[in-house]
Amino acid sequence: DAKTTQPNSMESNEEEPVHLPCNHSTISGTDYIHWYRQLPSQGPEYVIHGLTSNVNNRMASLAIAEDRKSSTLILHRATLRDAAVYYCILIILGGSYIPTFGRGTSLIVHP
Amino acid sequence: EAGVAQSPRYKIIEKRQSVAFWCNPISGHATLYWYQQILGQGPKLLIQFQNNGVVDDSQLPKDRFSAERLKGVDSTLKIQPAKLEDSAVYLCASSLDPTNEQFFGPGTRLTVL
Repeated sequence: DAKTTQPNSMESNEEEPVHLPCNHSTISGTDYIHWYRQLPSQGPEYVIHGLTSNVNNRMASLAIAEDRKSSTLILHRATLRDAAVYYCILIILGGSYIPTFGRGTSLIVHP
Repeated sequence: EAGVAQSPRYKIIEKRQSVAFWCNPISGHATLYWYQQILGQGPKLLIQFQNNGVVDDSQLPKDRFSAERLKGVDSTLKIQPAKLEDSAVYLCASSLDPTNEQFFGPGTRLTVL
């Protein structure tokens, strides 16, 4: 099964950039890379997704390695509200596209 | 636009009892997901619907869990009978299609005593 590997936790200071890595070495050519984050006692919230090219939106940037075996979520200026668990998931083509969550990275942001 | 609605928000039952959860997805979203999230873990997909058909239910414990999505809109997830290990948050999500962003509901926190 294609799976993702993320560090258990990372720390950052407020207003600094944060680079959250994700390894997905068994990714297939048709698998999408999605990022979600989850604040305590809330459901996951979509952050960004991509297939092959780097992506930018108002929340973050997604940098995808050329071989697609890894990706990095970039928060350009961390705020205290960005403290959450960040999940890198693959939308895997089976009969359809099936989401497979990993354990996620707990991001701690220091004031 | 209205988000994904779930009810109830909290439920406490005793083991061997039955329980049902309801989900109303965002209007027009063809894909609906049910996840189980145990404390400290990431969400685990239980079942995925495309309209009213099941796309994947490989991780659904079919001896006790069942789910349906009548008319391709609302969905219910049932557990009968419940076990202690079913204590978790049950999340419903929907998306326009399986490759697009998922919108999650607030979840139902189930405690089985």
